[in-house]
Amino acid sequence: NAGVTQTPKFRILKIGQSMTLQCTQDMNHNYMYWYRQDPGMGLKLIYYSVGAGITDKGEVPNGYNVSRSTTEDFPLRLELAAPSQTSVYFCASSYYPGPIWSGYTFGSGTRLTVV
Amino acid sequence: GENVEQHPSTLSVQEGDSAVIKCTYSDSASNYFPWYKQELGKGPQLIIDIRSNVGEKKDQRIAVTLNKTAKHFSLHITETQPEDSAVYFCAASLESGGGADGLTFGKGTHLIIQP
Repeated sequence: NAGVTQTPKFRILKIGQSMTLQCTQDMNHNYMYWYRQDPGMGLKLIYYSVGAGITDKGEVPNGYNVSRSTTEDFPLRLELAAPSQTSVYFCASSYYPGPIWSGYTFGSGTRLTVV
Repeated sequence: GENVEQHPSTLSVQEGDSAVIKCTYSDSASNYFPWYKQELGKGPQLIIDIRSNVGEKKDQRIAVTLNKTAKHFSLHITETQPEDSAVYFCAASLESGGGADGLTFGKGTHLIIQP
């Protein structure tokens, strides 16, 4: 099992450009999440999905969009990139409800710089 | 919503000594408290977790304690080794939770093991 795979690992965008961060998981997890990590600020939830076709906003959704057409894939779209979106982005997945819910499996992250 | 405070933000200890990281949470309904370790350039990985019906849990050199009355929990690492150097995150959630109510993270502790 590959777990949670994120691409690309690094990207530099110019202000106003758009891009899609890819996330795929092969564990048949129903829940998927996008977090951003800023230095000293921990992890903040951008969007989440509880299953194919269902998405919802987290704590910091402005400037982002998501879709979930399959169980495996949960891409994050940035429209009109801004310097404030410079961050490290993590995708995570989990299975709920299992016999015991045991947290998330994270991808290795995408480091995005907007200049 | 839940709020998790984590201290200290940076902790430097001599190799072989013990390290303790502390977290407090605000929502008395939270029942699940995981700890994640993030090595440089990687995504967070679950290292240990504890549920509200348990006061302490150990796994080799790592232990977690929980005081539900005081709403705080701590990570203890004994006989620290160079490979323990990383950023550690605590989190809290409703065990039955998911989605936006899934995991609320602390801001992280950068643990440095001095040789």
